[in-house]
Amino acid sequence: KNQVEQSPQSLIILEGKNCTLQCNYTVSPFSNLRWYKQDTGRGPVSLTIMTFSENTKSNGRYTATLDADTKQSSLHITASQLSDSASYICVVSDGSGTYKYIFGTGTRLKVLA
Amino acid sequence: DGGITQSPKYLFRKEGQNVTLSCEQNLNHDAMYWYRQDPGQGLRLIYYSQIVNDFQKGDIAEGYSVSREKKESFPLTVTSAQKNPTAFYLCATDYTGDSPYNEQFFGPGTRLTVL
Repeated sequence: KNQVEQSPQSLIILEGKNCTLQCNYTVSPFSNLRWYKQDTGRGPVSLTIMTFSENTKSNGRYTATLDADTKQSSLHITASQLSDSASYICVVSDGSGTYKYIFGTGTRLKVLA
Repeated sequence: DGGITQSPKYLFRKEGQNVTLSCEQNLNHDAMYWYRQDPGQGLRLIYYSQIVNDFQKGDIAEGYSVSREKKESFPLTVTSAQKNPTAFYLCATDYTGDSPYNEQFFGPGTRLTVL
């Protein structure tokens, strides 16, 4: 069964600190993996998209890594800000055309001043 | 939120009522999706449509209905048959091409509460 698992479920850090969120998947075939940021009560917004041939991709203070062999991805946030408080969702696409997006349950990040 | 609008932002439904959630897009995307989001769960697919006048059931279609009469519009009706409709509903769009960089865009969501 295609699944995407994220850890931790929730995380609290102090402003200015770094953190890393994890995503493990068992989706096959694999097309791409994306990370979304979702503010409370809003729709998700894309941070990064990576195909199997890409190991890392950055978007400002957000850096995503992908290990297609171990089927693991991480999202690293550098020098966190209060505005980083949100849920971060890992989504894997199997590219098959049907149900092609498999969503993780997300990591809820809280950044404290 | 891009070029996707959802209305209303908040919706209250009484028991036994049908309600319709609106989703409109100006991104010229072929595919449109409806997801339901509950606390502690990943987004679950209700219905999706890849072309006008055609749509397919997702994983949790029971108690919901949709139509796709125009490329720009994909309304979702929550019927009285849906026993637990209180949730956050998200509409999304993307291209139907084969590029691995196809990005799915989301609307701002509608929060439905049953009174």
